[in-house]
Amino acid sequence: GDSVTQMEGPVTLSEEAFLTINCTYTATGYPSLFWYVQYPGEGLQLLLKATKADDKGSNKGFEATYRKETTSFHLEKGSVQVSDSAVYFCALIGSNTGKLIFGQGTTLQVKP
Amino acid sequence: DTGVSQDPRHKITKRGQNVTFRCDPISEHNRLYWYRQTLGQGPEFLTYFQNEAQLEKSRLLSDRFSAERPKGSFSTLEIQRTEQGDSAMYLCASSEGTGLEAFFGQGTRLTVV
Repeated sequence: GDSVTQMEGPVTLSEEAFLTINCTYTATGYPSLFWYVQYPGEGLQLLLKATKADDKGSNKGFEATYRKETTSFHLEKGSVQVSDSAVYFCALIGSNTGKLIFGQGTTLQVKP
Repeated sequence: DTGVSQDPRHKITKRGQNVTFRCDPISEHNRLYWYRQTLGQGPEFLTYFQNEAQLEKSRLLSDRFSAERPKGSFSTLEIQRTEQGDSAMYLCASSEGTGLEAFFGQGTRLTVV
């Protein structure tokens, strides 16, 4: 079945450092890909998305590119802030199933 | 648009009791999902609906779990004969349709004592 694998955390960075959180997926067909974020004490919210190969999703300085050849959707940000500290989830909706499934999440902690 | 609403926000129950949670999706969203999340883990898929039809139920879900979505609007998730292992956050999400992003509620935190 479809699945999502993320790099394990926690990831600890200093403010203004470059961020990469790796995400790879297994799916038949052409899934839609998402990054969700969960800030402390808050619910899950969509950060960005991409619906077809080579699409780049972006929001709040974060970017991720849908790479079908490597089945990846890595999250990047050029300069992180303390306020970016949260748990980040990679997810996909299978084109065959329409089911939304998540990776295990990566905790990011940004220190001043 | 008031977002996805879940009720209650917190539930403490004794082992062996039945509990029922409610989810009100965003108006006109025809897809509705239920997930379970434990500390340090990603949301685990439980089941989902397209309108009133339940499309899939996770194989990991025991027969003690059942979900309904009568008339394709709100949904309920019932857990019968609760066990301590059922303690978790139960999340509901809705979307406009296949392939589109899902919007999540704040969740119902269940504690089984």
